[in-house]
Amino acid sequence: GEDVEQSLFLSVREGDSSVINCTYTDSSSTYLYWYKQEPGAGLQLLTYIFSNMDMKQDQRLTVLLNKKDKHLSLRIADTQTGDSAIYFCAESKQAGTALIFGKGTTLSVSS
Amino acid sequence: GAVVSQHPSWVICKSGTSVKIECRSLDFQATTMFWYRQFPKQSLMLMATSNEGSKATYEQGVEKDKFLINHASLTLSTLTVTSAHPEDSSFYICSATPGLRTDTQYFGPGTRLTVL
Repeated sequence: GEDVEQSLFLSVREGDSSVINCTYTDSSSTYLYWYKQEPGAGLQLLTYIFSNMDMKQDQRLTVLLNKKDKHLSLRIADTQTGDSAIYFCAESKQAGTALIFGKGTTLSVSS
Repeated sequence: GAVVSQHPSWVICKSGTSVKIECRSLDFQATTMFWYRQFPKQSLMLMATSNEGSKATYEQGVEKDKFLINHASLTLSTLTVTSAHPEDSSFYICSATPGLRTDTQYFGPGTRLTVL
């Protein structure tokens, strides 16, 4: 099966909160990342969390990690139309190694 | 933050020709660079890991004779798609890391290759 799984699509209204979920299979994953990709563009690192953390907040972004269930989520507060993009969850076993990506969640924000 | 550039950003070529894509770390030395490929509406798949001064390590299913990787300096890695075919059309993205003790990779903006 897939190492990292995400739901493929999420649609929200402007101003609402968005929650994008991700599950991973490798319990030895040390770093978990969220990347944003806008159409035709490369990847933008949004945030990351170490496996020994439960939560990390950075302005409108909140990352929650349930290590027991191997579940990672990204919450975007006050979602804006500019947040419309594909969001990738990724994991790595140690710093400086290749990332394993999920298939990405397309977030669509309507006004 | 650290910046990684790729050149070209977009290339169209005829079937059978070779295309070289450059990946540069602009403000740091990258001991390791990674090459990923992304098909439309798909995830990024790792193709190979490139360490400066040594041969690249390819992922299973990636032809090393077709996708030549050269990491000749600490700021430059190149990917050459040899004898390109339409099925090689994809978005190629590189990433770079300053070393094993860093906590993240820095991604280039990607190169869109279209083979006619």
